[in-house]
Amino acid sequence: DTAVSQTPKYLVTQMGNDKSIKCEQNLGHDTMYWYKQDSKKFLKIMFSYNNKELIINETVPNRFSPKSPDKAHLNLHINSLELGDSAVYFCASSQGVGGETQYFGPGTRLLVL
Amino acid sequence: DQQVKQNSPSLSVQEGRISILNCDYTNSMFDYFLWYKKYPAEGPTFLISISSIKDKNEDGRFTVFLNKSAKHLSLHIVPSQPGDSAVYFCAARHTGANNLFFGTGTRLTVIP
Repeated sequence: DTAVSQTPKYLVTQMGNDKSIKCEQNLGHDTMYWYKQDSKKFLKIMFSYNNKELIINETVPNRFSPKSPDKAHLNLHINSLELGDSAVYFCASSQGVGGETQYFGPGTRLLVL
Repeated sequence: DQQVKQNSPSLSVQEGRISILNCDYTNSMFDYFLWYKKYPAEGPTFLISISSIKDKNEDGRFTVFLNKSAKHLSLHIVPSQPGDSAVYFCAARHTGANNLFFGTGTRLTVIP
């Protein structure tokens, strides 16, 4: 009964490939997020969706494209992977825009070779 | 431009003693602050929060103090337990922005 789940947990791939990371929440929340944790352990927002609508799109290369088929899912597709994309990607959800408490998934560890 | 800073990357404390984790921020618009706890290979887990209209919030062994004039907050854990060993992230939010700004975390080790 995991609240926020991500798949896969680990992803090792070659430079130039396209990959997707899936996120699902069963908390009934209407807002979902993608964060990136880089090698310096800095957690930074990438995208935020509310009711399937994009509300935050930080300065992220357009090779990253989020897709929200419904309120419970927010997937992240990455085209033409680069070495610098190697990081841990966390999905999170909250209730309402501005929801104070965000619940995080376990993270997806992406390694680009 | 890092708006939330945790200047101590690590902290070691004896079991039973107090752990004090510190956090500084630069954006005076922040009005809500949170602490998250993270174990290896897991996502951050919400621990405790405080609104800018308060200067203290307590939940069991955990207390968060906010000093707005100094743009500083701290998390006190008393008494510290070995199970508290984890990375603690400070986060902040301001009205109108629904994303959180995180610090880089402090690794707490509680020595039995």
